[in-house]
Amino acid sequence: DGGITQSPKYLFRKEGQNVTLSCEQNLNHDAMYWYRQDPGQGLRLIYYSQIVNDFQKGDIAEGYSVSREKKESFPLTVTSAQKNPTAFYLCASSRPGTFNEQFFGPGTRLTVL
Amino acid sequence: SQELEQSPQSLIVQEGKNLTINCTSSKTLYGLYWYKQKYGEGLIFLMMLQKGGEEKSHEKITAKLDEKKQQSSLHITASQPSHAGIYLCGAFTGGTSYGKLTFGQGTILTVHP
Repeated sequence: DGGITQSPKYLFRKEGQNVTLSCEQNLNHDAMYWYRQDPGQGLRLIYYSQIVNDFQKGDIAEGYSVSREKKESFPLTVTSAQKNPTAFYLCASSRPGTFNEQFFGPGTRLTVL
Repeated sequence: SQELEQSPQSLIVQEGKNLTINCTSSKTLYGLYWYKQKYGEGLIFLMMLQKGGEEKSHEKITAKLDEKKQQSSLHITASQPSHAGIYLCGAFTGGTSYGKLTFGQGTILTVHP
């Protein structure tokens, strides 16, 4: 079955620690995205990648970093510079071009203790 | 930047009732997407509208895009408890060949049996 997997489902971090969220897709999609969701708010774009070894900042990239070394993988690192990292993080992918459906993973809930 | 406003923010209905959720933009909507989300899970694609006046239906859910392409509505007929969740609209921001989506804040739907 094709799809997007995110791990772990729940993640706890102490203040000052970096943490990496995994996102893997086997849909052969070129484009991948990371969103953050807070209660009462819609999704906000953190980073997106159109192709391997290339990525662009979204609307709220500060305190986050990404890499795209493989087509299937787009990990997100939440650094200690992110002031309010507790949130629900969603990864998505799509075929290239406009007006293509974005497929979403199940999400990772990050809690900073 | 394009902003999407959803109304109402939350909705409680009795099973069997019809309901409508609106998504309004200050700018022209190019590629308006409707997604459904169960709490703590990923987004499930419902429909995508592109043309002014376009209407699509899937089972008991109908989505419309107005002629001016600045407002979309999602209508559920004879609601069921399975329709409960968060409904999000997202719009293509344009300008690139890859779909950067801007999302509304979501509408929380509760259906009482």
